[in-house]
Amino acid sequence: EVQLVESGGGLVQPGRSLRLSCAASGFIFGDYAMHWVRQAPGKGLEWVSGITWNSGSIVYADSVKGRFTISRDNAKKILYLQMNSLRTEDTALFYCAKDKYADSSGYIVDWGQGTLVTVSS
Amino acid sequence: IVMTQSPATLSVSPGERATLSCRASQGISSNLAWYQQKPGQAPRLLLYGASTRATGVPARFSGSGSGTEFTLTISSLQSEDFAVYYCQQYNNWPQTFGQGTKVEI
Repeated sequence: EVQLVESGGGLVQPGRSLRLSCAASGFIFGDYAMHWVRQAPGKGLEWVSGITWNSGSIVYADSVKGRFTISRDNAKKILYLQMNSLRTEDTALFYCAKDKYADSSGYIVDWGQGTLVTVSS
Repeated sequence: IVMTQSPATLSVSPGERATLSCRASQGISSNLAWYQQKPGQAPRLLLYGASTRATGVPARFSGSGSGTEFTLTISSLQSEDFAVYYCQQYNNWPQTFGQGTKVEI
């Protein structure tokens, strides 16, 4: 059974940084592309970033480009999201998600339960 | 690619048919997925390839379309189907979601 467990969320002041982690189990982590998707309170889903199996392709939404960095450690089976220069509009539940395939041609098949990031002074 | 869903809210009675629309701002072939989200839960994959049901998804869910126009149909709404539905294009990165359609009683 695929399990994705996010951690690292919390309350942070605007302009500060936070690093999210996603521990994966139940599948061969290094064989799949991975994503971060967020959902602001009461709002819809927003794709944040994706990374292919070997980190060869990394893409960001325009809203986070230059501030967020996605990375992965295939040996440890962990996906990361480093978030810098946080803004109040980054407040959201952040989901870690597994792709169907290793490259950028697939769709999201599995989701974690999310970790809440609140940016407020 | 901007994904636009309509309507924002759909009021339907149990047993009735629901039709949800999704439009892409440019052609995405059949690289479209539909997700269902219930309150307090993570999204769940319903359909991919515009029309292929994911494992365990009931046959009352069907999808159609290609290019820029897509439809999700729920043939006979059950109580557990009242939720928010999102379309998502995966033709290109960055992937993008529609804003969602809430199906309510």
